Formats: sequence, C-alpha cells, structure tokens
Amino acid sequence: QKEVEQDPGPLSVPEGAIVSLNCTYSNSAFQYFMWYRQYSRKGPELLMYTYSSGNKEDGRFTAQVDKSSKYISLFIRDSQPSDSATYLCAMSDGTGRRALTFGSGTRLQVQP
Amino acid sequence: GAVVSQHPSRVICKSGTSVKIECRSLDFQATTMFWYRQFPKQSLMLMATSNEGSKATYEQGVEKDKFLINHASLTLSTLTVTSAHPEDSSFYICSAPEDRALQTEAFFGQGTRLTVV
Repeated sequence: QKEVEQDPGPLSVPEGAIVSLNCTYSNSAFQYFMWYRQYSRKGPELLMYTYSSGNKEDGRFTAQVDKSSKYISLFIRDSQPSDSATYLCAMSDGTGRRALTFGSGTRLQVQP
Repeated sequence: GAVVSQHPSRVICKSGTSVKIECRSLDFQATTMFWYRQFPKQSLMLMATSNEGSKATYEQGVEKDKFLINHASLTLSTLTVTSAHPEDSSFYICSAPEDRALQTEAFFGQGTRLTVV
C-alpha cells in the first residue's frame, strides 16, 4: 500500500466549476500538508501549506485537512483554463527540511 | 519567493556517458537539498538527500555509485548520472527548503528531462 493515495484522473470540468481534489494517507505521523501544481515538464509550484487539521483559504483555493480520517482536500473555486495542470499532494512528518512524500498527482483539465 | 534554479532543463546523451545536473538556490542558503525522480504519470520519488559539506544520504534502491551527489557550497548541489542507460531516462527535480516566518517551505527547481539513447 502506498503511503499517499491520489486519484490520477484525468478530471475534466467546465470553466467556472468547483473542483475537488483529494488524497488519503496512512502515516499518522504526517503533520505538514501541501498542495503543489505542476505544469507539463516543469517543477512543482507550491499552492497551499497547512499544518495539522483545519482549513486554509487563499483566493480561489481552499485546503482542508482531516487528520482523524487521514484525508486532505483542495478545492478550487471558479476554475479557469489556466488551472489545467497536475495537482500533487505532499506531506511531511517534520519540518520542511525533511523530504516530502508525494501523491501520484491528479491531472485536471478545465474546459473553456 | 525563493528561487531554485536547475540546469540543464533538457539533455539527451548516449548510453555509457555521464550527465551532470546542477541545482542552485539563488537567493538563500540551502544546507540541505533533495533530489527526486519522476517517471511519466507517476509521482516524485525521493532519490537522495544532499547535505552541504558531508556525504549524501541515499534512499533504498538508489545506487550511490551511479548517482553521484556533490554539495560543495551552500547554494549548489550537483547530481551526476554516471554510465547512463536508457532506463535512467526520467525527469529529475531538485528541491531546497527555506525557513520562512512560521514554517519551512520547499522550493523546487524547474526539473531536468534526461533522455538516454
């Protein structure tokens, strides 16, 4: 069993839709949770960073962490074609100085 | 935000040759850098942790004699793929953490697509 499970998609939605991306994990030691966006053949770009359980909002993006269920989510409101990319969840059991454990990524396509 | 520069972005080499990939932290010092490998439609897999002034730490299954890592300064780590073979073709990405006000964030280079022919 992988430490982090993420549906690879692809997920196709119309422009303006609300997108929900999710990951589950098995390691209860994970405390730091991140979402990265990766465009084709580029390095990942940090979108959201959350510590422990709770919600965090930044513009059109909302990250949720439920440690009791070992489940994290990223919501994208008013999705745009420019949001089309692969979204990777990542997590760590310590500070960022520790390497991250990544999900496999979900490919999102926002249709204009 | 912090910038991590990785070079080259793309390289094609012949089997048996060696390829060096550079990872630089441009506006901060990085005593630790991480090297990941990503196969098509798969996640980033940690290969090794590069430590300034000391030996790198390799993940299980990664050959240290094949993937040579040097972290000679606080802003530069290099990964050399020695005697490359077609199965080494992959996307290699480096990452460096930087301390921010309340958290440590990991910043990634642009990645290097290696094709071994």
